[in-house]
Amino acid sequence: GAVVSQHPSRVICKSGTSVKIECRSLDFQATTMFWYRQFPKQSLMLMATSNEGSKATYEQGVEKDKFLINHASLTLSTLTVTSAHPEDSSFYICSARRDTSYEQYFGPGTRLTVT
Amino acid sequence: EDKVVQSPLSLVVHEGDTVTLNCSYEVTNFRSLLWYKQEKKAPTFLFMLTSSGIEKKSGRLSSILDKKELFSILNITATQTGDSAVYLCAVEAFAGGFKTIFGAGTRLFVKA
Repeated sequence: GAVVSQHPSRVICKSGTSVKIECRSLDFQATTMFWYRQFPKQSLMLMATSNEGSKATYEQGVEKDKFLINHASLTLSTLTVTSAHPEDSSFYICSARRDTSYEQYFGPGTRLTVT
Repeated sequence: EDKVVQSPLSLVVHEGDTVTLNCSYEVTNFRSLLWYKQEKKAPTFLFMLTSSGIEKKSGRLSSILDKKELFSILNITATQTGDSAVYLCAVEAFAGGFKTIFGAGTRLFVKA
């Protein structure tokens, strides 16, 4: 199977601080990783697409300076929420894909609460 | 603008019923359509459809794609309470790179 992990699963931070979320593909090399945000009872909204070794492609309306994405290796991508505010509180989910002929596999998600 | 529309938005049925969930889409450079089941956490993959008219089955679930009419259906037969979840339809398209557009989901509740 294809397993994707995320860490942490839940984080609470104070307003103004930064939070880093890790996404790892455990048993395959992911050429592409995706970051999504999901608000309660809403669908997944794609934030950015990242390919290993290159800059992430952000969706319209997503601030790249606020949501820093690093895809340093074929098994790890990180999302850093900088200067977090309460409105950034959400469920952040990553997914990974081996190559374009495979489906995306989702991580378990990270619930971020900014107080 | 690319979009994926699911219907109904919510559905309540009794155990044993058969349900059909709908997904229509408008995207440029369609690549594939995917169905996911989401319970409390992240979505779990159900089906990936790329060709019209070929039904994919997994147990009591099945799905088919119509690329001419731009829609897909997900069928669940003999529903069980464990089928209660949000079912998400997503379309992958190529727009300067592959991107995935998700529908709003159908919230299914199966009563015992």
